[in-house]
Amino acid sequence: DIALTQSPGTLSLSPGERATLSCWASQSVSRRSLAWYQQKPGQAPRLLIYGATNRATGIPDRFNGTRSGTRLTLTISRLEPEDFAVYYCQQFGTPPLYTFGQGTKLEIK
Amino acid sequence: QVQLQESGPGLVKPSQTLSLTCTVSGASINNGDYYWNWIRQPAGKGLEWIGRVYASGGTNYNPSLKSRATISLDVSKNQFSLRLSSVTAADTAMYYCARVFPEEIGYVYFDSWGQGTLVTVSS
Repeated sequence: DIALTQSPGTLSLSPGERATLSCWASQSVSRRSLAWYQQKPGQAPRLLIYGATNRATGIPDRFNGTRSGTRLTLTISRLEPEDFAVYYCQQFGTPPLYTFGQGTKLEIK
Repeated sequence: QVQLQESGPGLVKPSQTLSLTCTVSGASINNGDYYWNWIRQPAGKGLEWIGRVYASGGTNYNPSLKSRATISLDVSKNQFSLRLSSVTAADTAMYYCARVFPEEIGYVYFDSWGQGTLVTVSS
């Protein structure tokens, strides 16, 4: 199984600040199989980034995804109040086919 | 625009079978362009992929469920369903249905999700 480990577990920042969220894969994963989601309380996850670096339709350009080796990074350049949520990375690969990281909670400081 | 909507009992007794249905509108589940999935999330925890079904009726499951899950299509109703047998309290979760692009096509991501339905396993 390919495990995804996200850090930090919780990130406390203020609006306007820059957020950097990391996701580490236990082994190499194809770039096209990597994605990021945002989940707000009481809502389903929403796709933010696919293919490690591509913003989904309608996602503001303050959200950026990068990948270096087995490390996936989601950067939010200037936090807006609506960005405070839980973020998950996801990969596709060997069974169980799709796995998610444990999530990073981005909270208002 | 595609929409997915879960439905089913919110309360299931231990050892019984959980049954949920996802109704899809705005897209045909029969055209092979997507795979159709069930994903669950216990309260306050992360996301766990349960399994998927595709247009041919083929399926794949998360091995962690130890063959308790069955996913099927009803093309006439544009629905797909989940049955999870021998449930315990550990199966209490929000259950989501979601659409994913096939890995054979290109990028792999869940682009559309239902709003979720909460299932509690309790006597």
